[in-house]
Amino acid sequence: NAGVTQTPKFQVLKTGQSMTLQCAQDMNHNSMYWYRQDPGMGLRLIYYSASEGTTDKGEVPNGYNVSRLNKREFSLRLESAAPSQTSVYFCASSPRGSNQPQHFGDGTRLSIL
Amino acid sequence: AQKVTQAQTEISVVEKEDVTLDCVYETRDTTYYLFWYKQPPSGELVFLIRRNSFDEQNEISGRYSWNFQKSTSSFNFTITASQVVDSAVYFCALIHNTDKLIFGTGTRLQVFP
Repeated sequence: NAGVTQTPKFQVLKTGQSMTLQCAQDMNHNSMYWYRQDPGMGLRLIYYSASEGTTDKGEVPNGYNVSRLNKREFSLRLESAAPSQTSVYFCASSPRGSNQPQHFGDGTRLSIL
Repeated sequence: AQKVTQAQTEISVVEKEDVTLDCVYETRDTTYYLFWYKQPPSGELVFLIRRNSFDEQNEISGRYSWNFQKSTSSFNFTITASQVVDSAVYFCALIHNTDKLIFGTGTRLQVFP
């Protein structure tokens, strides 16, 4: 009963390093999302994928890239990490349709020095 | 523009008190969905409830109840007889004709024994 699985759970990077956050879901959901959570700002959408093969920008896409590898997997890449990208990152998935609740992974806590 | 406002940043209560978390939203759409999520200290996001814009019936689930009022664009959440386990950050969120979930900034509830 895994749901949405994110790896790694914690990571520390140096400024300028690159990193890929992995996300996989086993619920056969069409839509997948990446959010970042910062103190006092709630969750903000970085990128989302409505279906396999499609991706679209959210509210805060700068500095990130995504890949919808297949229906199960949606990865988030930081090409050149910056201290401003220190955050907790959440992946989520949902069935197609905006009325469906999103199911979240446990988050990745990323610190960039 | 769509927006969700949770004006209460932090609320502290003593166990067994009732507490209401406020949520005010803005949208121009006639069809939309509202959600509440709970984020306990362990960090995961837990889906609590979904409400569509055409259903203004209040909902009760155990000690939890939700009051949806379109006239005031509010979707408030009340916990009756609060318990220490209710301590968490609670997020209200809105979704309309896309798959993009818009979160409020959250309300941190602390329930003291």
